[in-house]
Amino acid sequence: AQSVTQLDSQVPVFEEAPVELRCNYSSSVSVYLFWYVQYPNQGLQLLLKYLSGSTLVESINGFEAEFNKSQTSFHLRKPSVHISDTAEYFCAVSETGGFKTIFGAGTRLFVKA
Amino acid sequence: DSGVTQTPKHLITATGQRVTLRCSPRSGDLSVYWYQQSLDQGLQFLIQYYNGEERAKGNILERFSAQQFPDLHSELNLSSLELGDSALYFCASMAGSNTGELFFGEGSRLTVL
Repeated sequence: AQSVTQLDSQVPVFEEAPVELRCNYSSSVSVYLFWYVQYPNQGLQLLLKYLSGSTLVESINGFEAEFNKSQTSFHLRKPSVHISDTAEYFCAVSETGGFKTIFGAGTRLFVKA
Repeated sequence: DSGVTQTPKHLITATGQRVTLRCSPRSGDLSVYWYQQSLDQGLQFLIQYYNGEERAKGNILERFSAQQFPDLHSELNLSSLELGDSALYFCASMAGSNTGELFFGEGSRLTVL
């Protein structure tokens, strides 16, 4: 069975500062990894994903995440955050070819002016 | 717009009652997933259907049931409602390629009084 641990429940940060949201997973088989973002009063939407290949994946709005198999981590980073990045971020894992996607508890990113 | 439609958006009911939440997946998606999001439990996987058949089950209570119909829409039935069932219920669908990427609806917010 897989599990996902997001190490920080809340991350306050000033605008234009860098941020890292941490995610660790456990699984006995190979996995796909995801970061989803949830803006207030909306559903979750995919931010980026790792399926295979390059361990560094990027989103269109400047976020990136690196798959580290030895540390079973998939941390999300952004070098300079904006007010509009304020949202809840969920790390998720599913077995390759599997059907069930498990989500972490979420990290609330709060960007202050 | 993810293409996943959920109704109703908001629902207020009393303890002991029964409600039905409805989900229409994206056009062409065969898989439907149900998740429950609450403040204390985070995002919990309930159940998954693929082309009308149950494929995976998570932390779904016996008072809850779901089904997927031939037109691929799905319904989540919640009965003998308790105060603790108050939550946001999300439906998501997955593309047939099974890369694990989920497309979420905007959710149905259930309040049990």
